[in-house]
Order: sequence, then structure tokens, then C-alpha cells
Amino acid sequence: DSGVTQTPKHLITATGQRVTLRCSPRSGDLSVYWYQQSLDQGLQFLIQYYNGEERAKGNILERFSAQQFPDLHSELNLSSLELGDSALYFCASSGQGAQETQYFGPGTRLLVL
Amino acid sequence: SQQGEEDPQALSIQEGENATMNCSYKTSINNLQWYRQNSGRGLVHLILIRSNEREKHSGRLRVTLDTSKKSSSLLITASRAADTASYFCATVASGSARQLTFGSGTQLTVLP
Repeated sequence: DSGVTQTPKHLITATGQRVTLRCSPRSGDLSVYWYQQSLDQGLQFLIQYYNGEERAKGNILERFSAQQFPDLHSELNLSSLELGDSALYFCASSGQGAQETQYFGPGTRLLVL
Repeated sequence: SQQGEEDPQALSIQEGENATMNCSYKTSINNLQWYRQNSGRGLVHLILIRSNEREKHSGRLRVTLDTSKKSSSLLITASRAADTASYFCATVASGSARQLTFGSGTQLTVLP
């Protein structure tokens, strides 16, 4: 158990819909990262938050947004969903040092029908 | 986009044998990390090696890093059926970035 929790574990929805994925980092970790894993793109970094502020952005679509709340949990919002958004979405947390390990949650499996 | 490639893409060995996986990357790095993923599940951190380190051990794992060749290898000794999983290398780039850039992964199958 990494100490990072994600809900829900599975999500099935239809094209055009909007969903919210939730992540709670390990106790004491201020950084939260979101990654997407799909068959065609592999594991890709989406976005990072540190203590409530956006710190880095990767290959995140404009239809996707995220935020980190004062209690440090984070939410990833996916809107106008397309079939190609079906993937595993992982959250990871770490300290902010350059040599910090990122600990991953169990992921949310999203299926868009 | 992914940082680099891992090879082989798939590896099948007998229990008790050693497994070696290689990873190449493209940019200067702060560190390189190896993760394991059991089928469709979460990523488990295995080991982190810093850019100024050349070799690191953890139990049955041995990782090497050659920054001049921008490559790393993961050796699992005396493999077990429970080692069957996908293995990914991931890099943290030099500078202020902290996000991981993943390789394409190696699917390891250990036959009992």
C-alpha cells in the first residue's frame, strides 16, 4: 500500500459526459501528479500541483482540468469525453526534493462508451 | 511523449534465472527510477538511482546507470513467478522539473 488513495476504482460513462477523479496524497506529501496510461500512448504525465498551486503541465488536453485543495487532495476533471479518453488515470505524490520517490495510487480505470 | 525505449519489449524466462531489462533515454536527468506494474494495476516503486551514481542494489535488484550513453539496466536475480509484471523506467529531467517521463516498458514473464 503506497498510502496514495484514488476514487473511484472504475468509471464507465458515455461520450460527451464529464467525470471527476479524486486523489488523496500520502501524509506529508505536498506534490500531486496526474498520469494517464493508455495502450497507444503509454504512461504520460498530465499535470503537477504543489501545495495548491499548479507547478507543471504535460500533455493535458484543454478538456481536462485539475486542482489541489487546501487539505492537499486533488481532483482531475475530464469533460466532453471521447472514446479515446478511455485509460487508466494515476495519481502520484511526493515531497518536493529533486530526488524524491513518487508513490502511485491504484488508479482509476475510465471506460468511455 | 515518452522519453525513450526499453528493450526487450517482452522477456520470458524460467524461475531461478536472471532477467535483464534495458532502458534508454534522451535528455539530461536528475535521477532514473524503476517501477513494476502487475497487470492493469498500480505502479510500485522499485529503486531510484541518482545521475551521479553508477550502480545501486536493493535485494535481488541491481540497477546500473550510464549517463554518457543515456542508458540504464535493471537486473533481477534468481527470478520468481511472482516477478511476472511489466517493468518501466522513468526519468526526472535535470532542472526544476519533477515529473516522471516513462519508457515503454518490458513485459517480464517468469515461468514456474
